[in-house]
Amino acid sequence: SYVLTQPPSVSVAPGQTASITCEGNNIGSKNVHWYQQRPGQAPVLVVYDDSDRPSGIPERFSGSNSGNTATLTISRVEAGDEADYYCQVWDITRDDYVFGPGSTVTVL
Amino acid sequence: QVQLLQSEAEVKKPGASVTVSCKASGYSFLSHGLNWVRQAPGQGLEWMGWISGHTGNTNYAKNLQGRVTMTRDTSTSTVYMEVRSLRSDDTAVYFCARGGGVGRSFDVWGQGTRVTVSS
Repeated sequence: SYVLTQPPSVSVAPGQTASITCEGNNIGSKNVHWYQQRPGQAPVLVVYDDSDRPSGIPERFSGSNSGNTATLTISRVEAGDEADYYCQVWDITRDDYVFGPGSTVTVL
Repeated sequence: QVQLLQSEAEVKKPGASVTVSCKASGYSFLSHGLNWVRQAPGQGLEWMGWISGHTGNTNYAKNLQGRVTMTRDTSTSTVYMEVRSLRSDDTAVYFCARGGGVGRSFDVWGQGTRVTVSS
């Protein structure tokens, strides 16, 4: 099955930039989606199809995808960005969606 | 506004079955599919399967085939997800989420339903 790897944790000072990676074999050939989940809440879509933002998501959230790594970048980080972030792809060989293990973003 | 409203929490014994519902509102139910995703305590997200709002066609995650069934009622815009032969490791929060088609993202999520499996 297709495996995604994310760093367990990312720490960033307020106002700085956080980069969360999602690694998978030739992930650049897939569409990657990113979700934010705050404690006790349902996930929220923050980036879809590698780099598009749903309406209502701040421009501070951006995404890229190439080769074996997709990246979610959060610019000008705020305290409210503290959450778990999950990447997701469609595994066409198994007809399954796959989620990464998640990364916890901590704002120092 | 687009909303997915899920049923209340459940407590079940091992070996029993549970059915969780997800009522959609604010959009054309027939134009979208609904996915189910679960999250065990302290763990990540696991996709369980998908049902088409239009045709009722389903696609289940390989590791759950045979134990899960998803159905829909177009008259009430409600999707149901049944898990049979419950085990302790089925204890999780279950989410429904609207999808835009195969490989597309999940843009709207329900609030989650906690299912506890315990003797």
